[in-house]
Amino acid sequence: DAGVIQSPRHEVTEMGQEVTLRCKPISGHNSLFWYRQTMMRGLELLIYFNNNVPIDDSGMPEDRFSAKMPNASFSTLKIQPSEPRDSAVYFCASSVMREKLFFGSGTQLSVL
Amino acid sequence: QQQVKQSPQSLIVQKGGISIINCAYENTAFDYFPWYQQFPGKGPALLIAIRPDVSEKKEGRFTISFNKSAKQFSLHIMDSQPGDSATYFCAASKGGNTPLVFGKGTRLSVIA
Repeated sequence: DAGVIQSPRHEVTEMGQEVTLRCKPISGHNSLFWYRQTMMRGLELLIYFNNNVPIDDSGMPEDRFSAKMPNASFSTLKIQPSEPRDSAVYFCASSVMREKLFFGSGTQLSVL
Repeated sequence: QQQVKQSPQSLIVQKGGISIINCAYENTAFDYFPWYQQFPGKGPALLIAIRPDVSEKKEGRFTISFNKSAKQFSLHIMDSQPGDSATYFCAASKGGNTPLVFGKGTRLSVIA
């Protein structure tokens, strides 16, 4: 298994632009999580899905952030419009049970 | 409000020494306490985990000590090696399929 696949690995964009991060979870995993990592705040949960249904999006910082999971093998996290304070590493993780999350390698986002 | 408080923020240990990282929590509903290890450029990966019905769990050189009454748990790395240099995150979750809440992380450097 290739593990959780995230794309792109790096994204550099200008303030105001739309950014779309992509995630392919491990086949057979029924839960998917989006986390954001910064030095100041550590790993923050943004949103998670169970069986493609969003369960809790209370961690999404603003309405500029949105996430979708149209099917069991694909999810997106969109930021529109992006701001410099959105610069961080964004991780996608999937699991069968909460006990073991498998993380992707992350997307390093820089908003100039 | 941070649900899991981790310390120290960074740690330097001599090769062969013992690394100790501590975490404290407030929510008594938490019933699962994992530690994740993250190398640069990678996502976190599950290292070891414990449930509150035991006070200690050991896997190789890694040991979790758990103090339910104090609501604290710690990671001990015995005979620390340069290859252990990474960022370590403690986490906690409640019953059911609730997601993990992570501490802010500890950057460990093991020097020869």
